Amino acid sequence: EVQLVESGGDLVKPGGSLRLSCAVSGFTFSSYSMNWVRQAPGKGLEWVASISSSSNYIYYADSVKGRFTISRDNAKNSLSLQMNSLRAEDTAVYYCAREVVPQAYFDYWGQGTLVTVSS
Amino acid sequence: QSALTQPASVSGSPGQSITLSCTGTRSDVGGYNYVSWYQQHPGKAPKLMIYDVNKRPSGISNRFSGSKSGNTASLTISGLQAEDEADYYCSSYTRSSTLVFGGGTKLTVL
Repeated sequence: EVQLVESGGDLVKPGGSLRLSCAVSGFTFSSYSMNWVRQAPGKGLEWVASISSSSNYIYYADSVKGRFTISRDNAKNSLSLQMNSLRAEDTAVYYCAREVVPQAYFDYWGQGTLVTVSS
Repeated sequence: QSALTQPASVSGSPGQSITLSCTGTRSDVGGYNYVSWYQQHPGKAPKLMIYDVNKRPSGISNRFSGSKSGNTASLTISGLQAEDEADYYCSSYTRSSTLVFGGGTKLTVL
């Protein structure tokens, strides 16, 4: 059974940092691109970042470029999102999602972890 | 990276058919057959309903179908059921090798 489990969400002050993790199981992690997608309270989905299976290709949404870093450890079946210089508008539930390439769709999602940026 | 345009809300009665639209540009929806649709119930993670414009994943009812014309993709739900009431999001691959979602449509089953 495919499972994606996010962790690391917390309350953090503006300007602070936080690292999210996504532990996966049930499939060959090293064969898939992975993504982070977020959803602000009461709002729609927003794509955040993607990383290819071997980390050769990494892309970010303009809203997080230069502040967030996506990474993966294929040996540990783990995906991460390092978030720096956090802003109130980064408050959201963050989902990790498995991507099928090249068609760019997400066939499995985690349950999400809540990040709240507030003083 | 502008969001794709979706109507904020759509409603229909049980048994009816409804169509949700998703409008982008030649740089995303119009340029690739990589449009997908997701259903999201309150408090739940999104669920893939359609990929590659018109393909259904295993286990998804054939009441759900997708299509595309130019820069606009559509999701049609036939034989509406109460359980279809949810938020629906379209997504597309873009020319910048990124992905973009629509703002979402809230479907109400009357």
